[in-house]
Amino acid sequence: EVQLVESGGGLVQPGRSLKLSCAASGFTFSNYGMAWVRQTPTKGLEWVASISTGGGNTYYRDSVKGRFTISRDNAKNTQYLQMDSLRSEDTATYYCARHQFAYWGQGTLVTVSS
Amino acid sequence: DIQMTQSPSLLSASVGDRVTINCKASQNINKYLNWYQQKLGEAPKLLIYNTNNLQTGIPSRFSGSGSGTDYTLTISSLQPEDFGTYFCFQHNSWPLTFGSGTKLEIK
Repeated sequence: EVQLVESGGGLVQPGRSLKLSCAASGFTFSNYGMAWVRQTPTKGLEWVASISTGGGNTYYRDSVKGRFTISRDNAKNTQYLQMDSLRSEDTATYYCARHQFAYWGQGTLVTVSS
Repeated sequence: DIQMTQSPSLLSASVGDRVTINCKASQNINKYLNWYQQKLGEAPKLLIYNTNNLQTGIPSRFSGSGSGTDYTLTISSLQPEDFGTYFCFQHNSWPLTFGSGTKLEIK
């Protein structure tokens, strides 16, 4: 059974950093691209970033380029989202997803507030 | 960026009704269109991928169609458990984008 389990969310002040992790199981992790998607009540669902199977190719939405970094460790079956210079508008539930977005984690809440 | 315009935003229907939800892309997305159902407090659940392919385990009352810029999700006979919010999602080109959602209420 495919499982994706996010961790690392929490309350953080504006301008600070946070790193999310997504532990994968139930499939051959290195064979799949991975992604992060976030959701807020006001903006809905937003794709945030994606990474290729080997990690050599990464893609970001414009609003997080230069602040967020997606990465993966295929030996640990884990992907990451390093979030720097956080803003209040980054407040959301962050989901880990496997390409082609058939499988999602349960989400982790990130709140950016002073 | 490709804009996904989803309609209606709110839909109220009765058990047994045939329901359709539409998604219009601002440019051709080559059938790279998924449909999701989401219930409160849960992650989105894939129903249909690449326009018309039923995800494993999803009831056959769900179907999808479309091409180019126009796509439709159909529920042939609405069941009580079908309440929730439905989203379309294009994965044809970066940045990947979602529709704004259709909240489906059961009368």
